[in-house]
Amino acid sequence: DTAVSQTPKYLVTQMGNDKSIKCEQNLGHDTMYWYKQDSKKFLKIMFSYNNKELIINETVPNRFSPKSPDKAHLNLHINSLELGDSAVYFCASSQDGQGQGANVLTFGAGSRLTVL
Amino acid sequence: AQSVSQHNHHVILSEAASLELGCNYSYGGTVNLFWYVQYPGQHLQLLFKYFSGDPLVKGIKGFEAEFIKSKFSFNLRKPSVQWSDTAEYFCAVRGYSTLTFGKGTMLLVSP
Repeated sequence: DTAVSQTPKYLVTQMGNDKSIKCEQNLGHDTMYWYKQDSKKFLKIMFSYNNKELIINETVPNRFSPKSPDKAHLNLHINSLELGDSAVYFCASSQDGQGQGANVLTFGAGSRLTVL
Repeated sequence: AQSVSQHNHHVILSEAASLELGCNYSYGGTVNLFWYVQYPGQHLQLLFKYFSGDPLVKGIKGFEAEFIKSKFSFNLRKPSVQWSDTAEYFCAVRGYSTLTFGKGTMLLVSP
């Protein structure tokens, strides 16, 4: 079973459209994240949710709206897509606490979004 | 605010050459340090983590990383690289809150 799974893996769409990327983790982790990796491979945190509550919201346009229906899911909805939104979006999760596995992020396989 | 700096954006080596990838961070408090690897077309995978204890961390495939607190560094090393080590390597630091990544170093190993 995949620990952190994202769908879709590839998404090609026109400017101005609205799209969603879904993420699910079966690790029982408390915290989930969305990262954006641009064409230069730079990884930047977008959002972080802990037990369904938003705890980090970096400087991201409000066209991006995360939704966490439960602590195992963190979906990313993007409105009015722009060319600059083209990137690979990675979902990740981590366990809180002090144990050996704490604070170690497990990443999904990524969702490559191409906006035409 | 915490930040991470990786010295080289691209490194090209021949097989059997030695590797050292530099990573420096800035943060005033206690940090957790990581190296992640991203093989071509794949997602990020944890290579190392350092929370405390022995500052020399040994990992898989002959990789090791050394934490030098006085230099705010966590460099990655391997004495003899292989073609299969071709990948993007990311250093990351976690201070107070989230994990911050460096810009990555693309390692290309030619056979």
